[in-house]
Amino acid sequence: AQSVAQPEDQVNVAEGNPLTVKCTYSVSGNPYLFWYVQYPNRGLQFLLKYITGDNLVKGSYGFEAEFNKSQTSFHLKKPSALVSDSALYFCAVSFGGGYNKLIFGAGTRLAVHP
Amino acid sequence: ETGVTQTPRHLVMGMTNKKSLKCEQHLGHNAMYWYKQSAKKPLELMFVYNFKEQTENNSVPSRFSPECPNSSHLFLHLHTLQPEDSALYLCASSQGLAGESDTQYFGPGTRLTVL
Repeated sequence: AQSVAQPEDQVNVAEGNPLTVKCTYSVSGNPYLFWYVQYPNRGLQFLLKYITGDNLVKGSYGFEAEFNKSQTSFHLKKPSALVSDSALYFCAVSFGGGYNKLIFGAGTRLAVHP
Repeated sequence: ETGVTQTPRHLVMGMTNKKSLKCEQHLGHNAMYWYKQSAKKPLELMFVYNFKEQTENNSVPSRFSPECPNSSHLFLHLHTLQPEDSALYLCASSQGLAGESDTQYFGPGTRLTVL
């Protein structure tokens, strides 16, 4: 069965420090992996996705994610965190049927402190 | 976010009311989705429409009734809801052509409270 795990409910980081939000997945076949961000009272905003090719994917707002097939992980990273990055982050995996069905992780709340 | 709009943004209804949520996408997409986001639970896919045809009903109770009159509009008709149906209802759309690698774009959601 397809599944996504975000092992941390919350991540705290100081402004200017690097941040990592973890995601692991379980899929049969080739994974298509996504990261979304949700600010308070807003919908989900697309950050980046991995389909194939280079394991390091660059996305919006300076975020990037590294696909690691052997560890079945797709961790989200940013070299220098901003207070405005504080939000809820969701990892998702897409699977079958000829169209895009997403399974989401439970979400990780990122808090960036000044 | 302006690519996918949802109305109303907030809705309070009684258990015997009938109401509808509306979603409109301005991205030229062919697939549209309804999700439910409850506190402390992962997003749950409810329905998928691809080229106006319903292709997924994720065991959703019949008190939720979707309607997709064209590729740009999606409705969720609500009747006889329960308090546990209170949640943020999110609409999304995608091109519908690239299959699993499509990117879904989300609206801002409707915050529903059932009294």
